[in-house]
Amino acid sequence: KNQVEQSPQSLIILEGKNCTLQCNYTVSPFSNLRWYKQDTGRGPVSLTIMTFSENTKSNGRYTATLDADTKQSSLHITASQLSDSASYICVVTLMNRDDKIIFGKGTRLHILP
Amino acid sequence: NAGVTQTPKFQVLKTGQSMTLQCAQDMNHNSMYWYRQDPGMGLRLIYYSASEGTTDKGEVPNGYNVSRLNKREFSLRLESAAPSQTSVYFCASSEVGGSPLHFGNGTRLTVT
Repeated sequence: KNQVEQSPQSLIILEGKNCTLQCNYTVSPFSNLRWYKQDTGRGPVSLTIMTFSENTKSNGRYTATLDADTKQSSLHITASQLSDSASYICVVTLMNRDDKIIFGKGTRLHILP
Repeated sequence: NAGVTQTPKFQVLKTGQSMTLQCAQDMNHNSMYWYRQDPGMGLRLIYYSASEGTTDKGEVPNGYNVSRLNKREFSLRLESAAPSQTSVYFCASSEVGGSPLHFGNGTRLTVT
């Protein structure tokens, strides 16, 4: 069954600290993996995208990694800011006729001052 | 360039009432989607439209209908609302399937 599992469900860290969010997927055939950021009361916004052949992608203080062999991805946030408080959603697209999209349930990140 | 616009932002319905959620995008995208988001469930696809004139069921289509009015607009209709349809509804669009999704800011629907 195609699934995307994220951990932890929620995370609290102090402003300025680093953190890493995890995503494990059992999706086949794999096309790409995206991380989305969802602020409270808003729709998700794409942060990064990685295809099968890419193993790292950065967007400012956000760095995503992908290990296609173990089917794991991580999102590392460096020097966290209060504005990083949000849900982070891992999303995998299947390589099939319909380009089916599988969403993880997200990790809720709280940054404390 | 507004992106994806959803109306209304909030709505309260009584059981059995009907309503239509509106969605419009100004990015000339081919594909449009309706999702619902419930606590602990993640985003679930209700219906999608790969191109103007086509619509297909997603993961949770029961109780909903959609209309792809033109390339810009994709509406979601609840014919007889039920408390189980209390949720946050998101419309999204993408250039083609597999490209990044652009989401609206959601409609928060409560059915009492």
